Amino acid sequence: EAAVTQSPRSKVAVTGGKVTLSCHQTNNHDYMYWYRQDTGHGLRLIHYSYVADSTEKGDIPDGYKASRPSQENFSLILELASLSQTAVYFCASSERGAQDTQYFGPGTRLLVL
Amino acid sequence: QQKVQQSPESLTVSEGAMASLNCTFSDGTSDNFRWYRQHSGKGLEVLVSIFSDGEKEEGRFTAHLNRASLHVSLHIREPQPSDSAVYLCAKNNNNRIFFGDGTQLVVKP
Repeated sequence: EAAVTQSPRSKVAVTGGKVTLSCHQTNNHDYMYWYRQDTGHGLRLIHYSYVADSTEKGDIPDGYKASRPSQENFSLILELASLSQTAVYFCASSERGAQDTQYFGPGTRLLVL
Repeated sequence: QQKVQQSPESLTVSEGAMASLNCTFSDGTSDNFRWYRQHSGKGLEVLVSIFSDGEKEEGRFTAHLNRASLHVSLHIREPQPSDSAVYLCAKNNNNRIFFGDGTQLVVKP
């Protein structure tokens, strides 16, 4: 069974503070993704990576950085958290790319005050 | 920007009655499609992947794809209360996935 875990599962942050969300996969997949989901909406791609030490911008990268230090780990960094970044964040992995099934983590609920 | 629109926004059915969900997209000549289910507070679970026109069945879930009419649907046979969740349609295009906003399905006992 594919496994993608995220930490923390929920977080309260202050405006202007730094937030780091972590994702770990044991699928041996090359691709990893970060999405955000706003209430009542689908997922939007923030950043993705297809190899360690390399990241690519998704559709809404502004205000976010990503880091892929190893095949298994992918982090999302909010250097200066803002109210508009309150959302649920999902990490996913896939074997070769978006044409393959993506396996999702349970999500991190972020509240920025 | 790719557009993926789902309808209806919400749907209530009785246990055992067929549930049908719809998804239309802006362009899909070479795209693949997937239906995901998201229980409240949980991650996404893939239900059906469909890559060519026609029908694809996975257990009680059947997807129908018609690229000419830019439409993909999901039919849930004999839905149960545990199927109550948000159902998301997703379109894969050029190594990106575009999601619809989802349909909230409620299955009443």
